[in-house]
Amino acid sequence: QTVVTQEPSLTVSPGGTVTLTCASSTGAVTSGFYPNWFQQKPGQAPRTLIYSTSNKHSWTPARFSGSLLGGKAALTLSGVQPEDEADYYCVLYYGLTHVFGGGTKLTVL
Amino acid sequence: EVQLLESGGGLVQPGGSLRLSCAASGLTFSKYAMSWVRQAPGKGLEWVSGISDTGTFTYYADSVKGRFTISRDNSKNTLYLQMNSLRAEDTAVYYCAKHLTGTSVNFDSWGQGTLVTVAS
Repeated sequence: QTVVTQEPSLTVSPGGTVTLTCASSTGAVTSGFYPNWFQQKPGQAPRTLIYSTSNKHSWTPARFSGSLLGGKAALTLSGVQPEDEADYYCVLYYGLTHVFGGGTKLTVL
Repeated sequence: EVQLLESGGGLVQPGGSLRLSCAASGLTFSKYAMSWVRQAPGKGLEWVSGISDTGTFTYYADSVKGRFTISRDNSKNTLYLQMNSLRAEDTAVYYCAKHLTGTSVNFDSWGQGTLVTVAS
C-alpha cells in the first residue's frame, strides 16, 4: 500500500513564506512521479496549481512555486496572502495509478 | 472556458448501482484524458479512475477495481462512471477532472462534484 505523506497542518503569517512537502513511502520523489499540487477552499472543488513538479497553470498566482526538495516534492508560497488559507493536496503518479497525499491545512494568522 | 458538470449522484442502498456523468464544454473533449476523484465527507482526495483520450486505456484504484467502470462518449462530450456493488465507504463527492493532454498524467480543470451517499 503506497502512502503519500504531507504535513497535516501549518501556520504562516501574512506576507511570510511557507513550504509544504509531499513524501512517498516508496522512496525519494523525482520528476518521474509528476507531482501536482492542488488548493481547496471550504465548499469548493479543488483547483490545480502546479503540474509536473514546477509548472504553473495560467491561473496560478506567481507567489506559488513547486520544486523537489530533499527527496520530496515541495510547494512554496512566498508573500502569503490571507486568501491562501486553504487545504493543499499533492498527488504522485505511480505508473497507471495516482495517489493523493492526506492534505495540509494551511492557516494564515 | 472549460466547464465540467457532474450529475447522477444521490442516495443508494448498499449493494446498489449508480452511474455518474460528467458533461464537458468549452474544449475538444476527445483530445484529453480524464479522471474521477472522490472526497469522503471531511476527508482528503482519493483518485478513483482514469481514461485515455480515445477510451482505449482505463485505470482504477484498487479500492474500486472490479466494481467501477469508467467510460466516455466523445460524440456526446461526456465522461461516465458506472458504480456497482456500492459500499458505505464509497460515500463521497465525486469530481471529474481533465488532464493536460490525451495521455498526460497531469491534472488541469475540475468539475464542481456530485454527492453519492450509500446508506440504508
